[in-house]
Amino acid sequence: KQEVTQIPAALSVPEGENLVLNCSFTDSAIYNLQWFRQDPGKGLTSLLLIQSSQREQTSGRLNASLDKSSGRSTLYIAASQPGDSATYLCALKANQAGTALIFGKGTTLSVSS
Amino acid sequence: DAGVTQSPTHLIKTRGQQVTLRCSPKSGHDTVSWYQQALGQGPQFIFQYYEEEERQRGNFPDRFSGHQFPNYSSELNVNALLLGDSALYLCASSLGGALFFGPGTRLTVL
Repeated sequence: KQEVTQIPAALSVPEGENLVLNCSFTDSAIYNLQWFRQDPGKGLTSLLLIQSSQREQTSGRLNASLDKSSGRSTLYIAASQPGDSATYLCALKANQAGTALIFGKGTTLSVSS
Repeated sequence: DAGVTQSPTHLIKTRGQQVTLRCSPKSGHDTVSWYQQALGQGPQFIFQYYEEEERQRGNFPDRFSGHQFPNYSSELNVNALLLGDSALYLCASSLGGALFFGPGTRLTVL
């Protein structure tokens, strides 16, 4: 059974710091992996989507990498800002059919000014 | 484009009652999925609707049922509510690609 783990569960950093969030999964047979942002009590905003054939995706200050063989993905946030404070979730899709995503529990990030 | 909308925003029910949650997909999207997110947990897939039929289902009991209408909007029904059904219920829409999530409905069961 596929399991997704995110470490750490919580992270506090000062503004301006570069940081890495980790996501690991137990079965390397995935279709794609997405990183989402969730503000307290709110829905999910998609940040980056990496297809299984890709190694990384970039959007602005965000860079996500994927290493299927080791069952790992990382989300790199450059020059963090207080507005980046939120919970970051990774989710993977096992196959092309359907829309079922398997989520980790998330990493709650707090960036202080 | 209004994006994915859900109603109501919050709901309080008592054990044993039934509840209906509603979702309107992003314009042009034909597939709706429902997820349950308990406090401090990641969302869990409930089911997916496409062409007014349930196409894929997660590990949820039959108390959870749904419907999709010809205009692609969808409802999630939960019967015989349990305390453990208290959660944020998220709807997501798609058109064969990435999922776009709505703001969710917060259900509290007392």
